[in-house]
Amino acid sequence: QSALTQPRSVSGSPGQSVTISCTGTSSDVGGYNYVSWYQQHPGKAPKLMIYDVSKRPSGVPDRFSGSKSGNTASLTISGLQAEDEADYYCCSYAGSYTSRVFGGGTKLTVL
Amino acid sequence: EVQLVQSGAEVKKPGESLKISCKGSGYSFTSYWIGWVRQMPGKGLEWMGIIYPGDSDTRYSPSFQGQVTISADKSISTAYLQWSSLKASDTAMYYCACTYYYDSSGYYRFDYWGQGTLVTVSS
Repeated sequence: QSALTQPRSVSGSPGQSVTISCTGTSSDVGGYNYVSWYQQHPGKAPKLMIYDVSKRPSGVPDRFSGSKSGNTASLTISGLQAEDEADYYCCSYAGSYTSRVFGGGTKLTVL
Repeated sequence: EVQLVQSGAEVKKPGESLKISCKGSGYSFTSYWIGWVRQMPGKGLEWMGIIYPGDSDTRYSPSFQGQVTISADKSISTAYLQWSSLKASDTAMYYCACTYYYDSSGYYRFDYWGQGTLVTVSS
């Protein structure tokens, strides 16, 4: 299966909001409410930020929110902070026990 | 606190075999799925497969089926990822990650991650 499509990079100034999109098909993003988002700082392991499209794990700031419309999921980060600068990956279930697909990743730069 | 501690970096030659490990602590090992994710140098994440240590139910991504073997030893709370014959293209960082088995949607995400094991395959 093909990777989900994410912008290669986005940027914003401290305090601003940014949105990262994740576009798939009706066979993955559009077909299931199992989209998750991961944050990865350089040289570190990924960290779960959003799951089931819009749920936040305990400990993740409410500045992070997720949504979905059709075949596109989105991660919005409001009140940008310097520590939010990282790579972000979306991931979706794709319809079988063994099928998961990640996006190519988006590099967020906090200006 | 759930912790996953992975084995150290490996340098291997093409054709050699390898088994890397991921030890869980701070939780009931048989209450969580454990999976593996590959990250090739400078690239994105790829879901490889997942195992439930309670009964060794194992599922592979079609891209990795037949290329690697995922296993677990619940007596020592450790999961494994192994290769029988490495290729240069297996050079990557490999992460283990886990998710609560009894969460109806836990199967579709990874809540906790190990620190990663760097595998380098070069002649």
